[in-house]
Amino acid sequence: GAGVSQSPSNKVTEKGKDVELRCDPISGHTALYWYRQSLGQGLEFLIYFQGNSAPDKSGLPSDRFSAERTGGSVSTLTIQRTQQEDSAVYLCASSRDSTGTYEQYFGPGTRLTVT
Amino acid sequence: AQKVTQAQTEISVVEKEDVTLDCVYETRDTTYYLFWYKQPPSGELVFLIRRNSFDEQNEISGRYSWNFQKSTSSFNFTITASQVVDSAVYFCALSEATGNQFYFGTGTSLTVIP
Repeated sequence: GAGVSQSPSNKVTEKGKDVELRCDPISGHTALYWYRQSLGQGLEFLIYFQGNSAPDKSGLPSDRFSAERTGGSVSTLTIQRTQQEDSAVYLCASSRDSTGTYEQYFGPGTRLTVT
Repeated sequence: AQKVTQAQTEISVVEKEDVTLDCVYETRDTTYYLFWYKQPPSGELVFLIRRNSFDEQNEISGRYSWNFQKSTSSFNFTITASQVVDSAVYFCALSEATGNQFYFGTGTSLTVIP
């Protein structure tokens, strides 16, 4: 079946502009996670959604970052007034639920470059 | 404190050698789950294995094997007779039954030299 998809695959933007990154999880997966991976680094947790519950935003690095998930499916991560330090690969993952019982399946990521 | 520690940042082996990737975790939960993921040069993370805290049986899948030891809080991953296609970054991760996050280690970059 279809895996997690993300768009765009690459995004180059100028400092100060807003960007939107999209994630389509695996159908039926109720949990959705966003991570950031800087060059050669591990995964930095940003935010997660479980069904219609309030999201866990504890990993968002600043108030310039926000995310929403519409209809319990597609999610959009928005970065306002981008800074050069926002350059990274943004990964989305989905899981059957958020109990941690089930593995996460990752999308291919969006490579964001802020010039 | 790191919940998942992968002390080996980079490892290089010659093809056909065996290699073990170490993972040490920290949790107070009695119910938790451990995972290994592979991130090849193409970039997409691939799930390899999940293990719950009540199952300490070692697992073997082809050339891959995993050694889970609660006594040392370790979940090590061994690749037997390594191949060039095994070259990737490998991540160990932990999730706790009382929480919702997955905690990833910083990854071990494995290079298999032909």
